[in-house]
Amino acid sequence: LAKTTQPISMDSYEGQEVNITCSHNNIATNDYITWYQQFPSQGPRFIIQGYKTKVTNEVASLFIPADRKSSTLSLPRVSLSDTAVYYCLVGDLTNAGNMLTFGGGTRLMVKP
Amino acid sequence: DTGVSQDPRHKITKRGQNVTFRCDPISEHNRLYWYRQTLGQGPEFLTYFQNEAQLEKSRLLSDRFSAERPKGSFSTLEIQRTEQGDSAMYLCASSARDSRYEQYFGPGTRLTVT
Repeated sequence: LAKTTQPISMDSYEGQEVNITCSHNNIATNDYITWYQQFPSQGPRFIIQGYKTKVTNEVASLFIPADRKSSTLSLPRVSLSDTAVYYCLVGDLTNAGNMLTFGGGTRLMVKP
Repeated sequence: DTGVSQDPRHKITKRGQNVTFRCDPISEHNRLYWYRQTLGQGPEFLTYFQNEAQLEKSRLLSDRFSAERPKGSFSTLEIQRTEQGDSAMYLCASSARDSRYEQYFGPGTRLTVT
């Protein structure tokens, strides 16, 4: 499984755009990039997934450059409720079980 | 909303006791996973079921741990002879057959071993 590296923590203010970058230099051809969000005392929640270029949903955007060695999760106009830990995961969807391998994540603190 | 549910939400036990946790996945999901999460760390995979078959187990799952999923519905995770190092949040997740890494997690069971 490709190893991921992301900042341990980030601070932001309400209304700002937040970009969290994840490095995955050893990403394999079949690997997809997935981001999860976790609030305290809750299980992680799927946010977005992509393979290349850009993916956007109602929650976030995911930017993946052509070499796919990194990806950036973009949260537009964050609010206090976006304070959470964000995990970047990389893996092969064809693996039996598709178990998720989480790193330490990025703790995002949104301030008023 | 019939998401993934776990019971109990909290469990305090003394070292050496046995504990059992239950997970009820989303009803149409045939895949079920158990993870363990300690403070400040991301969840770690423990084991995986497809229907009633346990197909993968992590090396983290010592002989004191056992998981079952009778009839491919709910699952139980039992820890025998608990140790203080077992204190953690135990998370259950489920996914549909064609899921692309999108797993739905329950709220977890927080275990404290004293």
